[in-house]
Amino acid sequence: DTAVSQTPKYLVTQMGNDKSIKCEQNLGHDTMYWYKQDSKKFLKIMFSYNNKELIINETVPNRFSPKSPDKAHLNLHINSLELGDSAVYFCASSPSGAPQGEQFFGPGTRLTVL
Amino acid sequence: AQKVTQAQTEISVVEKEDVTLDCVYETRDTTYYLFWYKQPPSGELVFLIRRNSFDEQNEISGRYSWNFQKSTSSFNFTITASQVVDSAVYFCALIEETSGSRLTFGEGTQLTVNP
Repeated sequence: DTAVSQTPKYLVTQMGNDKSIKCEQNLGHDTMYWYKQDSKKFLKIMFSYNNKELIINETVPNRFSPKSPDKAHLNLHINSLELGDSAVYFCASSPSGAPQGEQFFGPGTRLTVL
Repeated sequence: AQKVTQAQTEISVVEKEDVTLDCVYETRDTTYYLFWYKQPPSGELVFLIRRNSFDEQNEISGRYSWNFQKSTSSFNFTITASQVVDSAVYFCALIEETSGSRLTFGEGTQLTVNP
């Protein structure tokens, strides 16, 4: 029943490691997003994909690479993790016919880099 | 460039008080969309409302109401008769038509409702 799901919910890892976060939506939406929420709760968009095509790529280190195998999935791979990558990462989706419409968010993945 | 400002970092009220959360936005677009999201202590982001720039009608939904004023670039949110369960971080957000679907959030307001 979950509309937008993310795995894992918590991720604790060492500096320098590579990790992935997975996102899936069962809403039939064409557009998916990754947002980062820092320790001060500030939310900022990182990437957006529409039907597997990258449409928004904010100023994000190239250690972050999104991958969309199909329009229901958008994964985030992070190479060479740094302390500053510690944050909560949210996946979201919205209907492509209404890009300015409501975005449905996943539960978030709390990443802690030690 | 689009910007959203929520000047109130934290607000604390006693249950049953009314509380208004302020949101001021900046945009050069004539067509834009405003949102409010709630983030309870459990961490998820819950959509509350969406308004487009051509619809200045105020909206009421139960204890929640929203006041959109283009003249002051504000989209304020009022909770009437607050309850402990309203305790959360509330985010105001903006999408400009020319930015596609890029959602720009304000800094958030932490609302604490005490019993």
